[in-house]
Amino acid sequence: GQNIDQPTEMTATEGAIVQINCTYQTSGFNGLFWYQQHAGEAPTFLSYNVLDGLEEKGRFSSFLSRSKGYSYLLLKELQMKDSASYLCAVRGDGISGGYNKLIFGAGTRLAVHP
Amino acid sequence: DVKVTQSSRYLVKRTGEKVFLECVQDMDHENMFWYRQDPGLGLRLIYFSYDVKMKEKGDIPEGYSVSREKKERFSLILESASTNQTSMYLCASSLVFRQDGNTIYFGEGSWLTVV
Repeated sequence: GQNIDQPTEMTATEGAIVQINCTYQTSGFNGLFWYQQHAGEAPTFLSYNVLDGLEEKGRFSSFLSRSKGYSYLLLKELQMKDSASYLCAVRGDGISGGYNKLIFGAGTRLAVHP
Repeated sequence: DVKVTQSSRYLVKRTGEKVFLECVQDMDHENMFWYRQDPGLGLRLIYFSYDVKMKEKGDIPEGYSVSREKKERFSLILESASTNQTSMYLCASSLVFRQDGNTIYFGEGSWLTVV
């Protein structure tokens, strides 16, 4: 079957660093995405990894190991506005119309405290 | 600025009612999707469409149908709403597959309560 696992909840302190892990088992792999979703809002794109290694974008970095089926999202210098859910999604096998299906994890709810 | 607009943010419907959720995108995207999002389950794909009048079932199509008469508009239809369809519904759109990221754009969601 296809499965994406990530922790349900995490808490962290303002100014600190937090790492959100994601493990996956999917049929086919064409990239891994991280999305941020504030309560009541649409998910917004954070990062994309298709090759092994670390991708850095300002305070956010994402790491991928395809052989281990593992990724993490690293958030540095945490701010209160980083309190949100973080969704891990894997682009799997191709289906109709050239689209490669996105499979989502349940999301990790991050609470940042002063 | 890219835009996916869902016509209704909050709806309350009675069991057995027919419900229409409308979604419009202004990016000339070929692909459009309907997901539902439930606590602890993440986003699950209901239906998607890769062209006008074309549709494909996702993971949980039962109890739903869709319509895509124009490229920019994708409608989700609940023929006879049931309480287990109480959920948050997300519409999304994308270009045809590209070998890069950031290809999917989401609407802000429609919160449906069936009583």
